[in-house]
This record gives sequence, structure tokens and C-alpha cells, in this order.
Amino acid sequence: DVKVTQSSRYLVKRTGEKVFLECVQDMDHENMFWYRQDPGLGLRLIYFSYDVKMKEKGDIPEGYSVSREKKERFSLILESASTNQTSMYLCASSTTRGVRRQYFGPGTRLTVL
Amino acid sequence: AQSVTQLDSQVPVFEEAPVELRCNYSSSVSVYLFWYVQYPNQGLQLLLKYLSGSTLVKGINGFEAEFNKSQTSFHLRKPSVHISDTAEYFCAVRANSNSGYALNFGKGTSLLVTP
Repeated sequence: DVKVTQSSRYLVKRTGEKVFLECVQDMDHENMFWYRQDPGLGLRLIYFSYDVKMKEKGDIPEGYSVSREKKERFSLILESASTNQTSMYLCASSTTRGVRRQYFGPGTRLTVL
Repeated sequence: AQSVTQLDSQVPVFEEAPVELRCNYSSSVSVYLFWYVQYPNQGLQLLLKYLSGSTLVKGINGFEAEFNKSQTSFHLRKPSVHISDTAEYFCAVRANSNSGYALNFGKGTSLLVTP
């Protein structure tokens, strides 16, 4: 069965802290994605990666960075968390073939105080 | 670039009534279209997808959607909803090409089913 896992369901951090959100997929997918979900704004793409060590900016990359050292793992990094980064973060993965359907993790709800 | 507009942010409906969630897309190229559902405190699950061929697409949990190229729409329907259908529904689009990676999502429609 397809599985995308995220390291935490809920996370509370303080302004200025460095935050790591981890995502792991077990489907040998080439593509991985980080989205941010906010009420009334839907899902917005932060970054995606189409291969190990490869990354592309999405629609809202400011304040974020990513790391993909292994195929199965894609990390989202908030270098210095701010209150406007309080949100739900969703990770997804897909193959590069055919439809490239995306499979989503359960999400991490991050609160920055 | 492709974009999606979900015309209703909230849709309240009584149990066993029919429902339609509206989605319009914009694209200059052929597209793939998707509907995802997000139940409370969960990630997104794929409901159904349109790739090509028949314009009426059937998905899980009794949902179906119709692709209308002339109206650039992909509305989601269910003839009789259940309380358990209460969730957030997202329409998404991607270019039908080898260069496209990411999906473009609509802002979501919150379906609230009451007894």
C-alpha cells in the first residue's frame, strides 16, 4: 500500500527557531512536493524536487528551503520561523510516468508563537 | 499556466440530498483534472481523475464528475450525500505534457452535510 509519512502531526515552535519538517515515501517516487494549506487559500506549492539533490521553487518559496539527500526523504526547513508561517504543511509524492498522480501525507500542523 | 477556480467556498446540504461542487479551469493546453477530498485532520485522498476519453468519470464513495471542454468545467456530483461526506474538496489541474510536475489546486470547497 502506498505510504507517505510526515514526522509530526502537530508542532509548536517559537519565533526565530529553525524548524525541520520531514517527509518520507516508500513508493520509490522521483517527485516530491511541499505544500502549505491555509483557509480560503487552498494548497500552495512551496518547493518540489524531481530527483535527489534537485529542487525547484514553487509559488511561495520565500522563508523556506528544502533538502533531498535521499530519494525517499524530502525535508522542508524554516530557517527562522515567523508567526506568518503558522499553517498546515502537506507533503506529496508522485512518479514521473503517466498521470503522475500525487499521494499525500497526513499533514503537519505547525504553530509558531 | 493552468489554474482552477472553485466557485463555492462552502456548500451546506442535508443528508440524502444531491450535491454539486463546481470547478472551472483555465489552460491553453490539454489538461488532466483531479478531485481530492480531505477529511478532518487528514491528508488529501484522490476521489477521481479525468485523463482522456469518456467525459463522465466515476470515483470512490459514489462521486462522479463530468469534464466539459467547451465550458472548461469539471463539476463534482453525488446523487445522495451522507454525513460522512462532510469534508474539504479540492479541484486540481495539471498540463497534459511531459514537462509538467506540480498540480495547481483550487481554494477548496467545504461540504457540510447535516441531518
